[in-house]
Amino acid sequence: AQSVTQPDIHITVSEGASLELRCNYSYGATPYLFWYVQSPGQGLQLLLKYFSGDTLVQGIKGFEAEFKRSQSSFNLRKPSVHWSDAAEYFCAVVPENSGGSNYKLTFGKGTLLTVNP
Amino acid sequence: DAGVTQSPTHLIKTRGQQVTLRCSPKSGHDTVSWYQQALGQGPQFIFQYYEEEERQRGNFPDRFSGHQFPNYSSELNVNALLLGDSALYLCASSLGWVDNQPQHFGDGTRLSIL
Repeated sequence: AQSVTQPDIHITVSEGASLELRCNYSYGATPYLFWYVQSPGQGLQLLLKYFSGDTLVQGIKGFEAEFKRSQSSFNLRKPSVHWSDAAEYFCAVVPENSGGSNYKLTFGKGTLLTVNP
Repeated sequence: DAGVTQSPTHLIKTRGQQVTLRCSPKSGHDTVSWYQQALGQGPQFIFQYYEEEERQRGNFPDRFSGHQFPNYSSELNVNALLLGDSALYLCASSLGWVDNQPQHFGDGTRLSIL
């Protein structure tokens, strides 16, 4: 069965520092890949997605992610973190060729980001 | 343009009771998916509705059921509530069978079982 691993449960960075959140997936083919962010008491907001093509994907709020097939990874990065980036981040995957947008997302357990002033 | 809306925002029930949660999809969307997010966990897929039928289902017991209405809104029903059903229930909508379209999530319903 496909799975998503986010190795870091909690990460603390200083405001202005760079950030990398790790995501590894276990699936034979190339899945669709997503990063979502969840602020306390809120739903999930899509940061970026990868379906095919350029392996470096740009998202909202200055985030980017790079798909590395050889490492089965889709790590999220931001060059300079802002205090408002403090939230929980979820990586999610969908099997390729799931048929349109009617797919079921499989999520990792999330990484909680704390930003120190 | 309204996004995905869910009601109620919070709900407290006792074991054995039944609950109904509601979701209105984003304007223009016709597919609704439901996810359960336990504390400290990622969301888990419950089921998905398209054209008023359940199209996909995750690993959840039959106590979890749903419905989709002609206006694309949806309900999630849970019978015989257990303490373990305490979670944030998230609804996501999308435009069905259109490639490369992301799902949009609501803010969820927080269900607490006493």
